Amino acid sequence: GAVVSQHPSRVICKSGTSVKIECRSLDFQATTMFWYRQFPKQSLMLMATSNEGSKATYEQGVEKDKFLINHASLTLSTLTVTSAHPEDSSFYICSVTLGSRSVSADTQYFGPGTRLTVL
Amino acid sequence: GENVEQHPSTLSVQEGDSAVIKCTYSDSASNYFPWYKQELGKRPQLIIDIRSNVGEKKDQRIAVTLNKTAKHFSLHITETQPEDSAVYFCAASRDTGFQKLVFGTGTRLLVSP
Repeated sequence: GAVVSQHPSRVICKSGTSVKIECRSLDFQATTMFWYRQFPKQSLMLMATSNEGSKATYEQGVEKDKFLINHASLTLSTLTVTSAHPEDSSFYICSVTLGSRSVSADTQYFGPGTRLTVL
Repeated sequence: GENVEQHPSTLSVQEGDSAVIKCTYSDSASNYFPWYKQELGKRPQLIIDIRSNVGEKKDQRIAVTLNKTAKHFSLHITETQPEDSAVYFCAASRDTGFQKLVFGTGTRLLVSP
């Protein structure tokens, strides 16, 4: 499998501020990472696919200017929630896939998640 | 695009009973089907997956079956234990490299001692 970390695990911020969440692949280089959002008692909804060295691919309905994704290295992707509002409060989870390095090309391994609360 | 439906939304069983969770998908090109277990406030953990070239896969008390013709797959847990209590998600994707997973709506399983 893959070891994935996220930081911070929890963040509380005031409405209008920006919050940066880091996702790190600790034991291998990930060219692709995924960002999900999960509201309470709901399923995981893919927000965007983060590609190292290129622009992220956003899912329909996800504002790219509000959720900024930067995948600057093979082990780090960041998600910045800009001008956060209470409706952005959610559990944000990243995942990595081993891709061609594994026979299980599409198996995704998830980070521990970041719980964002916007007051 | 792909749509994955999952049933039931909640499932309560007695310890030792079996539990079955069913999912259907819409994209006939999907051929990778993982199942994840998520405990409250924690990350989803892969528990088993199946690819379209097999119809059934088993790992101790957990098994998954796939019917490609009918486009549905199921998770079977035998001899359930209280620690099996969690939310289970099915998902589907195309096995062509870095393809996104589409998740089902989840099933909250409660195993009573």
